[in-house]
Amino acid sequence: DGGITQSPKYLFRKEGQNVTLSCEQNLNHDAMYWYRQDPGQGLRLIYYSQIVNDFQKGDIAEGYSVSREKKESFPLTVTSAQKNPTAFYLCASSIDPRGLDAFGSGTRLTVV
Amino acid sequence: DQQVKQNSPSLSVQEGRISILNCDYTNSMFDYFLWYKKYPAEGPTFLISISSIKDKNEDGRFTVFLNKSAKHLSLHIVPSQPGDSAVYFCAAYSGGYQKVTFGIGTKLQVIP
Repeated sequence: DGGITQSPKYLFRKEGQNVTLSCEQNLNHDAMYWYRQDPGQGLRLIYYSQIVNDFQKGDIAEGYSVSREKKESFPLTVTSAQKNPTAFYLCASSIDPRGLDAFGSGTRLTVV
Repeated sequence: DQQVKQNSPSLSVQEGRISILNCDYTNSMFDYFLWYKKYPAEGPTFLISISSIKDKNEDGRFTVFLNKSAKHLSLHIVPSQPGDSAVYFCAAYSGGYQKVTFGIGTKLQVIP
């Protein structure tokens, strides 16, 4: 079955450490996205990539970095510069840039 | 600045009745609107969408209405079923910004 795989589902890290969240899709979608969800807030766009080897900052890119070396993969690194990294992170992909066709099941990151 | 607003954090409806979820937006550049449904610990799933050139789109039990002059859209679910209990996100796409902006979601509970 085609879909988006995010791993791990739960992640704990110590403050000051960088951590990389995995996102893999086998849907052959060109565009991939990273969103963050906090309580009482909608999904906020961190980074997106419309094509391999290209990506753009979203609304809240500070403290995050991404790479898009393969069409299937769009890993997100949460760096120590991110002031409030504890959140639920969602990866998405799409064929049509007007919408998000598929989401992963998310990674809940807790920084202690 | 919240460009997509869902002012009702929660809604309870009796099974079989109509559920109406509302969404307001402020940016007149939005030209495509979407609704997503999200169960706990899962990623959102696409439900229904509407282009700004239309005022209604129907898909089975789900109908989305768009009032451009009021910058308002609504999702109608008829008849509501217990399996519809989830968080519903309203989202809007702007071709100019090339990104999807989400509201904070409305939690729907359908009571059997």
